[in-house]
Amino acid sequence: SQQGEEDPQALSIQEGENATMNCSYKTSINNLQWYRQNSGRGLVHLILIRSNEREKHSGRLRVTLDTSKKSSSLLITASRAADTASYFCAWETGANNLFFGTGTRLTVIP
Amino acid sequence: GAGVSQTPSNKVTEKGKYVELRCDPISGHTALYWYRQSLGQGPEFLIYFQGTGAADDSGLPNDRFFAVRPEGSVSTLKIQRTERGDSAVYLCASSLNAGPSPQYFGPGTRLTVL
Repeated sequence: SQQGEEDPQALSIQEGENATMNCSYKTSINNLQWYRQNSGRGLVHLILIRSNEREKHSGRLRVTLDTSKKSSSLLITASRAADTASYFCAWETGANNLFFGTGTRLTVIP
Repeated sequence: GAGVSQTPSNKVTEKGKYVELRCDPISGHTALYWYRQSLGQGPEFLIYFQGTGAADDSGLPNDRFFAVRPEGSVSTLKIQRTERGDSAVYLCASSLNAGPSPQYFGPGTRLTVL
């Protein structure tokens, strides 16, 4: 199985705090992407980091990638209640389809 | 603009029946993907189309599952002799091209097999 893992499985923080989610995968990758999912339906693409990149920023999002450890992290700064959702990492190995992690359920308490 | 749409949004069927799930990708997107997501899990790849052809169907669980994209746009996922274990949310995604680009997901079809 190419399914990786994310931790924590669930994370609950106060509004304004930062949230960090970690992802580990098992194979060589071309790129790694992070997606957000509300209410178990429809994923929204957040950010893509290529295998030769180590860090990427987009607004309040910061993604790091360590290919030697086969791991990535997503940091959401200054969290808002509207950030409450499930977050999935997904990696592309060159076959064009994505393999997804198990997800982190983030709850931001107002 | 219009995103990826999927119909129906919910489908309840009985064990042994045949179902068809439809996906309308974003106009101009050449790549189309089907995934299946069970409760509490990440999406699981089923099949990927580049244009009209299935470029990779390695994720289809068995020969009861089949998908087509005859004109390179709309795709239909077909499941024969449904089983209770087929119950899941079936997600469709499209991207402008194959390769390192974001995938845009539809809202999914929740299939329940009784």
